[in-house]
Amino acid sequence: SQQGEEDPQALSIQEGENATMNCSYKTSINNLQWYRQNSGRGLVHLILIRSNEREKHSGRLRVTLDTSKKSSSLLITASRAADTASYFCATVSFTGNQFYFGTGTSLTVIP
Amino acid sequence: EAQVTQNPRYLITVTGKKLTVTCSQNMNHEYMSWYRQDPGLGLRQIYYSMNVEVTDKGDVPEGYKVSRKEKRNFPLILESPSPNQTSLYFCASSFSPWSEQYFGPGTRLTVT
Repeated sequence: SQQGEEDPQALSIQEGENATMNCSYKTSINNLQWYRQNSGRGLVHLILIRSNEREKHSGRLRVTLDTSKKSSSLLITASRAADTASYFCATVSFTGNQFYFGTGTSLTVIP
Repeated sequence: EAQVTQNPRYLITVTGKKLTVTCSQNMNHEYMSWYRQDPGLGLRQIYYSMNVEVTDKGDVPEGYKVSRKEKRNFPLILESPSPNQTSLYFCASSFSPWSEQYFGPGTRLTVT
């Protein structure tokens, strides 16, 4: 399987702290995307970073991409209780049309 | 409102009884997919479609069928459901495989 792996599987932090989650993947990619899922609901797209980009910001989100290590990280700064959710990375290979999701990180932000 | 709709949202059925889960999008997207989500396994792609009449297998296609007769609709068919197909199913659409995907609300299927 070309599915990515995420680390850690679960993360629990206090409100106001930063949360960092990591994603590793296996093939050359066109881009890498991060999604959020609230408890059994549909996924919501957060941010997309292209293979020729190294860092991208969106509000309190910061994503980095290291294509040499085939890894990415998502940083959520100044976390809020409302950030409690599962976070998934997703990739599409450069030559293919299939979409691959990581196994997800479950984030709990304690008020 | 731009959205992906799925029906039904919840379904309990018995082994072997054919069922169809519908998916529809109103964003004129070319690319549509079906995923299943199981604890500890993340989301796995079942089938995807690049455009009308073009469908391809994803990672876990066994036991499923799809069709894409119209651009907006992409139904998932289980001809003979089995208990190992008990899962949470999501339909998604996007302009291309490389762009942001929009997800439906999910269908929770239980096969007894």
